[in-house]
Amino acid sequence: EAQVTQNPRYLITVTGKKLTVTCSQNMNHEYMSWYRQDPGLGLRQIYYSMNVEVTDKGDVPEGYKVSRKEKRNFPLILESPSPNQTSLYFCASSPGTNPYEQYFGPGTRLTVT
Amino acid sequence: SQQGEEDPQALSIQEGENATMNCSYKTSINNLQWYRQNSGRGLVHLILIRSNEREKHSGRLRVTLDTSKKSSSLLITASRAADTASYFCATASYNDMRFGAGTRLTVKP
Repeated sequence: EAQVTQNPRYLITVTGKKLTVTCSQNMNHEYMSWYRQDPGLGLRQIYYSMNVEVTDKGDVPEGYKVSRKEKRNFPLILESPSPNQTSLYFCASSPGTNPYEQYFGPGTRLTVT
Repeated sequence: SQQGEEDPQALSIQEGENATMNCSYKTSINNLQWYRQNSGRGLVHLILIRSNEREKHSGRLRVTLDTSKKSSSLLITASRAADTASYFCATASYNDMRFGAGTRLTVKP
C-alpha cells in the first residue's frame, strides 16, 4: 500500500531532550516536506527536500533540523525542544520535485513540557 | 507565513445542500490545491488547479480560480455527512507550499 509513515505518533518529552521524528514513504517520491499544525494557523512548512541531499527552509525552520540521505526517509530532528514546539507535525511527499498533490502521513502529536 | 485565507472559518449545512468555501491569497502562484482533513488526521489531496486554468471539476467538487483577484472557491455539491471535515487551500510556488487556516464544514444528516 502506498503510504507515508511517521513515528512516533504521540510523544511527550521535556524541554531540552533531543528527539527525532521519522518519516518514510514507499512511493519513490522526490519531494518531501515537514509541516506543523497549530490551532487557527493552519499548516506551516518547516523544511522541504526536492531530492536526496537537497533540503531547504520553509516558513518556520527555527529549532528544527532535517536530513535526506535516502530518497524514502526524511527525519525531523529537534535538538533542544522547547514548549513552543508543542504541535501536531505532518510529513508529506509528492512525485516530482515540486509540492504538487502531496500525500500526508498520519501526524505526530508532540508535547514538550 | 500563511498565504491563503479561507472564508468562512466555519460552515454548517444540511445533507444534500451545496457548500461553498473561498480562498484568497497574496502572491503569484504556480497552482492552487485543496485538501481535506478529518479531525486531526493527515490531509488528503482533493484537487489541483493550475494558474492558467479557470475552472476544474472532480466528481462533486468544482474549483474556480481567479488570478486577477487572487482568489479561489471550492464548491461541494449534494453534500453528505461524510463530507464533514476541515478544508484547506494551499498555494504552491516552484518549490514551497503555503496553507490557509482552513474552513470547518459540518454537514448535518
